[in-house]
Amino acid sequence: AQSVSQHNHHVILSEAASLELGCNYSYGGTVNLFWYVQYPGQHLQLLLKYFSGDPLVKGIKGFEAEFIKSKFSFNLRKPSVQWSDTAEYFCAVNKGGGADGLTFGKGTHLIIQP
Amino acid sequence: GAVVSQHPSRVICKSGTSVKIECRSLDFQATTMFWYRQFPKKSLMLMATSNEGSKATYEQGVEKDKFLINHASLTLSTLTVTSAHPEDSSFYICSARDMADKNIQYFGAGTRLSVL
Repeated sequence: AQSVSQHNHHVILSEAASLELGCNYSYGGTVNLFWYVQYPGQHLQLLLKYFSGDPLVKGIKGFEAEFIKSKFSFNLRKPSVQWSDTAEYFCAVNKGGGADGLTFGKGTHLIIQP
Repeated sequence: GAVVSQHPSRVICKSGTSVKIECRSLDFQATTMFWYRQFPKKSLMLMATSNEGSKATYEQGVEKDKFLINHASLTLSTLTVTSAHPEDSSFYICSARDMADKNIQYFGAGTRLSVL
């Protein structure tokens, strides 16, 4: 079975700082990788996804992530965060066929200070 | 984007009663829906996969007789927590897999279940 590890459980940054949230997964086969965001009081929203092709994927709201197969990693980045980026961020994975449910990391609570 | 509606958003019930939670895909069809459970300060854990017109597939350790799943149409899956007990109190979240884009799951807003 696959598993997902998010290294940072709580991150506090000032506005305009750069962001990188770590995500590692364990699974030997082909995977699909996702980052979801949950704003306070709202449902999970898809930020970006990787299925195949270019390992650098761009998502909504200026976020991007890089799939490094050799490191089993899919780190999320944003060059300059805003106060509105305060939210819970979840990395998730499922097997390459895409039919399975997602395995989630424990999430990272990001707080952006004005 | 695709919308998944989950109802109710919050329910409080007495121990021993059953509670039904609905998950609807509003603007797309979903042959597959998923049910997750989220414990406080922990991640979402997949409970079961709901398949339209067939039996649900449960993850290891999830009691299928406790958590009944029905997926009678391409837009509706229901989760019934039978004979609920306080330990069933949790946040339940559904997602629906878009048939047109099969690797994307869209999530409902979740249901907070409190069993007294």
